[in-house]
Amino acid sequence: EPEVTQTPSHQVTQMGQEVILRCVPISNHLYFYWYRQILGQKVEFLVSFYNNEISEKSEIFDDQFSVERPDGSNFTLKIRSTKLEDSAMYFCASRGLAGAETQYFGPGTRLLVL
Amino acid sequence: AQSVTQPDIHITVSEGASLELRCNYSYGATPYLFWYVQSPGQGLQLLLKYFSGDTLVQGIKGFEAEFKRSQSSFNLRKPSVHWSDAAEYFCAVGRKAAGNKLTFGGGTRVLVKP
Repeated sequence: EPEVTQTPSHQVTQMGQEVILRCVPISNHLYFYWYRQILGQKVEFLVSFYNNEISEKSEIFDDQFSVERPDGSNFTLKIRSTKLEDSAMYFCASRGLAGAETQYFGPGTRLLVL
Repeated sequence: AQSVTQPDIHITVSEGASLELRCNYSYGATPYLFWYVQSPGQGLQLLLKYFSGDTLVQGIKGFEAEFKRSQSSFNLRKPSVHWSDAAEYFCAVGRKAAGNKLTFGGGTRVLVKP
């Protein structure tokens, strides 16, 4: 069964460093998402991406964040200058065509900013 | 704005007993509703979803949920709980729109006693 994959599973970084989180969505899916879950808190929407552009973003997704689909398979989230409060589990999700509304989630990347 | 409330933070249930997890949502139109499960250290797995039609939906692992528009609820049930059902359960609401972001509830952690 096809699934969303994410790398790395864990990343530790120093405050102020750039990180890139990688996701491989389910092939033939067209809509891509990033969510995050700070420890003990709700899963929060960050951004949605379709047709090579951002379709919606939350207030959390400020200028420090960017997303990219550099090729036909990967979908990345970049944090330019990490802060302590960026420590969280980051989930990638994808879904198929309009009408197929179910989002399928990857296993997550746990980011720890020191 | 859409929102989801899961009133129970923790629930402890004996193995073999029935389980019901509550979910209330706020949304201006007919919502898309989902239940996801997260086992420790794992990602989010879709249990079931409601888009339209029959208000009682069946999911994986023996779970079912009932959509009640009059109560703005989408409660999750399982007649007989197994030890492997110990996990955190998230209710989420989505909408039919280009971005279709999901808004999650705070989650309910289920502990299963032998």
